[in-house]
Amino acid sequence: AQKITQTQPGMFVQEKEAVTLDCTYDTSDPSYGLFWYKQPSSGEMIFLIYQGSYDQQNATEGRYSLNFQKARKSANLVISASQLGDSAMYFCAMSLPGGQGGKLIFGQGTELSVKP
Amino acid sequence: NAGVTQTPKFQVLKTGQSMTLQCAQDMNHEYMSWYRQDPGMGLRLIHYSVGAGITDQGEVPNGYNVSRSTTEDFPLRLLSAAPSQTSVYFCASSYFGRGPEQFFGPGTRLTVL
Repeated sequence: AQKITQTQPGMFVQEKEAVTLDCTYDTSDPSYGLFWYKQPSSGEMIFLIYQGSYDQQNATEGRYSLNFQKARKSANLVISASQLGDSAMYFCAMSLPGGQGGKLIFGQGTELSVKP
Repeated sequence: NAGVTQTPKFQVLKTGQSMTLQCAQDMNHEYMSWYRQDPGMGLRLIHYSVGAGITDQGEVPNGYNVSRSTTEDFPLRLLSAAPSQTSVYFCASSYFGRGPEQFFGPGTRLTVL
């Protein structure tokens, strides 16, 4: 069965430093997508970055990059130069078979706090 | 574009009552999904749809019904509310095969007493 695991319930980082949020996944399907979403205290879900299982290069979007290690089944999110506005919950998610981006399973999330 | 809209924003029900959570999108997305988020947890898929007239179950479908009569609308019906259905409900939509991003609505916070 598909599963997403985020083992860090909470993380602290100093402003302007880089931080890595861990995510491991389990699936037997060769075709899947990995997503990261940000949920600020206001509650909305904000899409950050996507990595397809066949993508050769690690995905990057501005200050966000996804460290994709297929053999280890990990998809860690790296945030460079942290800002106070990065304080939020971060969720790793994976698409279910046949679901493209429409059927996702989520990890339990990591709460990131950025210190000034 | 309004994106994905959900109504109501907040709702309190008594055990046994029924209600419908509304979801609409104006982006002509084929895919629509309903998720619930319980405190301290990630989102769990309730039902999803790949187009008008086509729906299927997700991880936690019990106690919920859906239908998709138009591309734009995807209502979620609670048949007989239970306290275990107290949660925040998110509707989402996405293109099918034309990009990975799933667009989420603002959520409905439901309390069942």
